Amino acid sequence: NAGVTQTPKFQVLKTGQSMTLQCAQDMNHEYMSWYRQDPGMGLRLIHYSVGAGITDQGEVPNGYNVSRSTTEDFPLRLLSAAPSQTSVYFCASSYSGGLDTEAFFGQGTRLTVV
Amino acid sequence: AQRVTQPEKLLSVFKGAPVELKCNYSYSGSPELFWYVQYSRQRLQLLLRHISRESIKGFTADLNKGETSFHLKKPFAQEEDSAMYYCALSLPGITQGGSEKLVFGKGTKLTVNP
Repeated sequence: NAGVTQTPKFQVLKTGQSMTLQCAQDMNHEYMSWYRQDPGMGLRLIHYSVGAGITDQGEVPNGYNVSRSTTEDFPLRLLSAAPSQTSVYFCASSYSGGLDTEAFFGQGTRLTVV
Repeated sequence: AQRVTQPEKLLSVFKGAPVELKCNYSYSGSPELFWYVQYSRQRLQLLLRHISRESIKGFTADLNKGETSFHLKKPFAQEEDSAMYYCALSLPGITQGGSEKLVFGKGTKLTVNP
């Protein structure tokens, strides 16, 4: 199993450009989430999904869009990149096992907006 | 508001010494807490969850509701314990204690010196 796969690993964007960060998981997990990690800030939840067709906002959703058309994929879209979106982005998936669950993370995407 | 505080950004100990990484939380309900670890060049991964009351790699963590703390402890630190450690709180979601919505502390970088 590959687990959670994020592409690309690195990306440089110009202000105003758009792009999609890809996230795929092969564990048949119902739940998927996107976090951003900034220096000294820990990880903050951007958006999450509890199943295909169901998404919701997290703590820092502004400037990001998500959709979930399949169980496996949960892409994160930046419609108009801003320097404040320079960060490391992590995708995670988990199963609905209640108290026995854990989040499985991707390796991260390092995004720089210039 | 839900919040996780890790007061130490950096922690340095010598091999064989006891180590304690502090975590305090703010949450009005019954908390579900986790410790995640990120070793160099590896993905973020679950170390332990409070509900399991388990010991992983010699680490334990006890939930103290009176002090709202979930400190991570190990009696004898090893060099391979050097890593970034994050305390995380599960927010209410579809399932109690699920991992689709996590609030992370800012992390503590542990260095174990030879």
